[in-house]
Amino acid sequence: AQRVTQPEKLLSVFKGAPVELKCNYSYSGSPELFWYVQYSRQRLQLLLRHISRESIKGFTADLNKGETSFHLKKPFAQEEDSAMYYCALVGTSYGKLTFGQGTILTVHP
Amino acid sequence: EAGVTQSPTHLIKTRGQQATLRCSPISGHTSVYWYQQALGLGLQFLLWYDEGEERNRGNFPPRFSGRQFPNYSSELNVNALELEDSALYLCASSLGSQGMETEAFFGQGTRLTVV
Repeated sequence: AQRVTQPEKLLSVFKGAPVELKCNYSYSGSPELFWYVQYSRQRLQLLLRHISRESIKGFTADLNKGETSFHLKKPFAQEEDSAMYYCALVGTSYGKLTFGQGTILTVHP
Repeated sequence: EAGVTQSPTHLIKTRGQQATLRCSPISGHTSVYWYQQALGLGLQFLLWYDEGEERNRGNFPPRFSGRQFPNYSSELNVNALELEDSALYLCASSLGSQGMETEAFFGQGTRLTVV
């Protein structure tokens, strides 16, 4: 079975502060991990995936297989980062995304 | 280029009725996925279609069914509606049969309300 856990339902930070959204997963094989984001009144969209090792909008995420984590980080949060963030996993034998419960990030001015 | 489109935007049905939700994937995408986003439950995988066939199914009762047409658009049917079926239903599409290992693009969703 594959599972994604985002322990924080809500996360609030001030503009310019570092932010870390936590994500832990369980999967017996080698998963592909993603972060999806949903801004207010917009559709769910891909933010980044671990395999590409990109930094998108200043966000990075490192896959830690030992801790089975894929935390999303940004050194200096911006107000426009306020959104719902979902961590998601694809187990290669299933072909579908399994989502965590999501974290609502609010960046205060 | 148009994104994933879903219709209708909102749907109100009475308990026991049937609901049909529609999804048009991005041009060139052959895989379509359906998710249920119920309040407090997050995104739950429903169904995955690729090349007209059902590839995978989530942990939902058989009254949730669907199909994919030759033009890769898809329908989700929910029979014998129950109050707890009230949710936002999201459709997503991606390239090829690798499933969501490639980037998935989501529609805006259909809000189903069962009264």
